[in-house]
Amino acid sequence: GQNIDQPTEMTATEGAIVQINCTYQTSGFNGLFWYQQHAGEAPTFLSYNVLDGLEEKGRFSSFLSRSKGYSYLLLKELQMKDSASYLCAVRDGDYKLSFGAGTTVTVRA
Amino acid sequence: ETGVTQTPRHLVMGMTNKKSLKCEQHLGHNAMYWYKQSAKKPLELMFVYNFKEQTENNSVPSRFSPECPNSSHLFLHLHTLQPEDSALYLCASSQDQGGAGELFFGEGSRLTVL
Repeated sequence: GQNIDQPTEMTATEGAIVQINCTYQTSGFNGLFWYQQHAGEAPTFLSYNVLDGLEEKGRFSSFLSRSKGYSYLLLKELQMKDSASYLCAVRDGDYKLSFGAGTTVTVRA
Repeated sequence: ETGVTQTPRHLVMGMTNKKSLKCEQHLGHNAMYWYKQSAKKPLELMFVYNFKEQTENNSVPSRFSPECPNSSHLFLHLHTLQPEDSALYLCASSQDQGGAGELFFGEGSRLTVL
C-alpha cells in the first residue's frame, strides 16, 4: 500500500503563517492534492502539484519535491475560518488516490 | 455547494436494519466513489464506478452493497452492519477515473450503528 504521513495537529495565531508537511512513499507518482475539510462539511480541493516547485493561490501555496517524496501546504495571513482539517492525497503510478490522515489546524485569536 | 449531494446527512440504525445512502452529482462526471472516513484515520476508498461500471471494490465486506443506476446517481445499501461501521461515508465524483482531475466530495452521511 501507499504511505502518506502528515502531522496530526497544528495550532497557530491569527495573522501568522503555518506550514503543513506531507511525506509520501508510493509506487509511481501522478500528482499530489491538498484538500480542506471543515468540521461537518465536504472536503474541498485546494491545490494540485505534479511537477516540482511552488504553486501559489492567494494566501495558500503548495510545494512539491518528487525526488524527496515531500510536499507542504503553506497558509499565510491566517484567518479564523482557516481552522479545518487539511488532507494530503497522492495519486500513484496506477492513478490510485491515497489520502493521509489529515492535519487539524486550529487558529487562535 | 460542491455539486455532489448526499442523503441522509445523519443515520442511526440497529445491526439488523437495512438502510441505503444516496449520492447525486450534478457535474456531468463519469466516475463516482464511496469513501469511509473514521476519526484520525485516512479516507478509505470503498468502491469506484466509471461509466456506471464498478471498477474497484477495495475488499469491502458484503454487508455494504453499492449500486450505480446511472452516471449521476450512486447508492450504498447497508444491512446487518456492525458498530465498527459507524463512520462518515463520503461520496465523490470526478470527470473520469484515473484522470488528472480532482475529486468533488459530498458533505457525507454520518452513520451510527447501535
